[in-house]
Amino acid sequence: EAQVTQNPRYLITVTGKKLTVTCSQNMNHEYMSWYRQDPGLGLRQIYYSMNVEVTDKGDVPEGYKVSRKEKRNFPLILESPSPNQTSLYFCASSFLDRVITGELFFGEGSRLTVL
Amino acid sequence: GESVGLHLPTLSVQEGDNSIINCAYSNSASDYFIWYKQESGKGPQFIIDIRSNMDKRQGQRVTVLLNKTVKHLSLQIAATQPGDSAVYFCADNSNSGYALNFGKGTSLLVTP
Repeated sequence: EAQVTQNPRYLITVTGKKLTVTCSQNMNHEYMSWYRQDPGLGLRQIYYSMNVEVTDKGDVPEGYKVSRKEKRNFPLILESPSPNQTSLYFCASSFLDRVITGELFFGEGSRLTVL
Repeated sequence: GESVGLHLPTLSVQEGDNSIINCAYSNSASDYFIWYKQESGKGPQFIIDIRSNMDKRQGQRVTVLLNKTVKHLSLQIAATQPGDSAVYFCADNSNSGYALNFGKGTSLLVTP
């Protein structure tokens, strides 16, 4: 089954404790991206990657890191989480020619709470 | 500032009626406009897109209309069903082509 898989789905952590949210897709997509979703603010892009070893900042990259060592994986790293990073995170992927038309495949989301 | 925005945060319709969800945009340079559906507890799901050189596009039970004169986008759902209850987002690709700019969403509630 074609899918974007995120882990963990739910996480409660404390300020400053490094964490990684993994994302994996099995559709051989070149493009992968991370979004955060907050009430009243909608979906905002954190980082994106157009291919292996190519990453770029989105609208809200502060406090986050990403890597793209393999085509299928795009982990989101929070080196020192803070309470303002409490949010619902979504990973998305697509073929490059479908990104232009806006057709992204989203994961089920990872709800992160930072105390 | 926000490039796309929805007119109403919530919309309630009766099962079987047609639904119309509206969206305004500000960036005339956007090449594509897109509608997404997000059910409770799930990730957004692509519904349909429309290119800026088109006025109308139809899918299965959905129609998207684009009015470039007034910078308005709408999603029409025919014969709305309980499974259509979700939050609907409009988006455009105005940022860079590789990032979607999402609106805040309209919650559609279908009542029996």
